[in-house]
Amino acid sequence: NAGVTQTPKFQVLKTGQSMTLQCAQDMNHEYMSWYRQDPGMGLRLIHYSVGAGITDQGEVPNGYNVSRSTTEDFPLRLLSAAPSQTSVYFCASSYRMRDGYTFGSGTRLTVV
Amino acid sequence: AQSVTQPDIHITVSEGASLELRCNYSYGATPYLFWYVQSPGQGLQLLLKYFSGDTLVQGIKGFEAEFKRSQSSFNLRKPSVHWSDAAEYFCAASSGGSYIPTFGRGTSLIVHP
Repeated sequence: NAGVTQTPKFQVLKTGQSMTLQCAQDMNHEYMSWYRQDPGMGLRLIHYSVGAGITDQGEVPNGYNVSRSTTEDFPLRLLSAAPSQTSVYFCASSYRMRDGYTFGSGTRLTVV
Repeated sequence: AQSVTQPDIHITVSEGASLELRCNYSYGATPYLFWYVQSPGQGLQLLLKYFSGDTLVQGIKGFEAEFKRSQSSFNLRKPSVHWSDAAEYFCAASSGGSYIPTFGRGTSLIVHP
């Protein structure tokens, strides 16, 4: 029972490069979300999904894409990396939102 | 707009002292309410949650929180803090629609020996 697995743990990108942050859960959770964490800003919602094939934008979606083709996977794509996207990214999942989230361990991304 | 406010950026306590971390929310109806803890370099872990019933909820690691509708608050408490409680604490709330939570900006707990 792995929970929520995020890969990679660390990544350095050059401005303009693209990449995909991976997130997988093995708990059959319908709800999955991506947050970014910046100092003094708490966690801000990027995109979320309430089930396979259903995604929606959060508070800070610009520059990011998501898809949910399976219940297990919810990848986050950076289309053209910018220094403002330097952050720690967390994926989280839940069976029912009133139960709270299970979080992954995060991906620390630096864009130079 | 719906929001979650944690008024204290940093809290310093001595080991063995009691602790209260404040959280206020701005929602029209009673939201789902949560407290999470984040140790350095780690993901967030759920401490406790409230969605209905008894307004005093017990969580893991000896923490409890009290929902007060009249004050729109959900403060986290612990009667005796241990050095290992030093971490970042986040309050979150969700309501309506998809119930995706909004997080506060966090409170950093420092524990002095």
